[in-house]
Amino acid sequence: AQSVAQPEDQVNVAEGNPLTVKCTYSVSGNPYLFWYVQYPNRGLQFLLKYITGDNLVKGSYGFEAEFNKSQTSFHLKKPSALVSDSALYFCAVREKSFGSNYQLIWGAGTKLIIKP
Amino acid sequence: DAGVTQSPTHLIKTRGQQVTLRCSPKSGHDTVSWYQQALGQGPQFIFQYYEEEERQRGNFPDRFSGHQYPNYSSELNVNALLLGDSALYLCASSLELSGNTIYFGEGSWLTVV
Repeated sequence: AQSVAQPEDQVNVAEGNPLTVKCTYSVSGNPYLFWYVQYPNRGLQFLLKYITGDNLVKGSYGFEAEFNKSQTSFHLKKPSALVSDSALYFCAVREKSFGSNYQLIWGAGTKLIIKP
Repeated sequence: DAGVTQSPTHLIKTRGQQVTLRCSPKSGHDTVSWYQQALGQGPQFIFQYYEEEERQRGNFPDRFSGHQYPNYSSELNVNALLLGDSALYLCASSLELSGNTIYFGEGSWLTVV
C-alpha cells in the first residue's frame, strides 16, 4: 500500500538552530516527493520536490530536503531556523493510480514551532 | 502571473443546503484538483478534473460533484450539507495529468450550522 508517514506531530526548535522535519514513504516504483508548508488560515505553498537526480534538493525560503532511497525517507531541513518558519509542514508522494493519472498521497503534517 | 484563485473565501451555510465553490487555475494550467481539509488534519483528495471530465475521485459521497469549464476554471458543488462538511476546501492546479507540481489556492472556508 502507498503511504507517507510524518512520525512527529510537532517539532520544537530554537531560533538559529538547524531543523529537521521527518518524512518516510512507501510506494511502488520510483517516488516523486514533495514538501508543502501551510501558514495559519492559509492554503498550502509548494516548497520543493524530488523527481530524479541529485539526492539533495534545494527549495524556497532556504529549505532543502534529502532523498534517501535505502531508508525511503525525504527529510526536510534548514541550517538555521527563523521564527517565521513556524507553520504546518506536509510531505506528499506521487502515486501512480491508473493509466497516466497520478494522485498525491499526503502525510498527516508536522507542526513546526520555532522559539525565539 | 496569477496564481490559483478561489471564491468565496468564507461562507456559512445551513445543514441541508447546497453550496458552490469556484476556482480559477494558475495561468497555463489545465488540471484542477479539489481537496477537503478539516481543522488539524491534512488535505483529503476529493476529485480531479482534466479536459472537462472527472478523471479521479477520492473517497467522497456523490453529494460532492464538480465541473470544469473550457477555460479550465472549476466548481465544486456540495448538496445536502452536513455539519461534518465544515472544512477548508482547497483547489489546486497543475499542468497535465502527469502529476507535475500542484499549486494551491488560499481555500474557501465553509462552516455548516
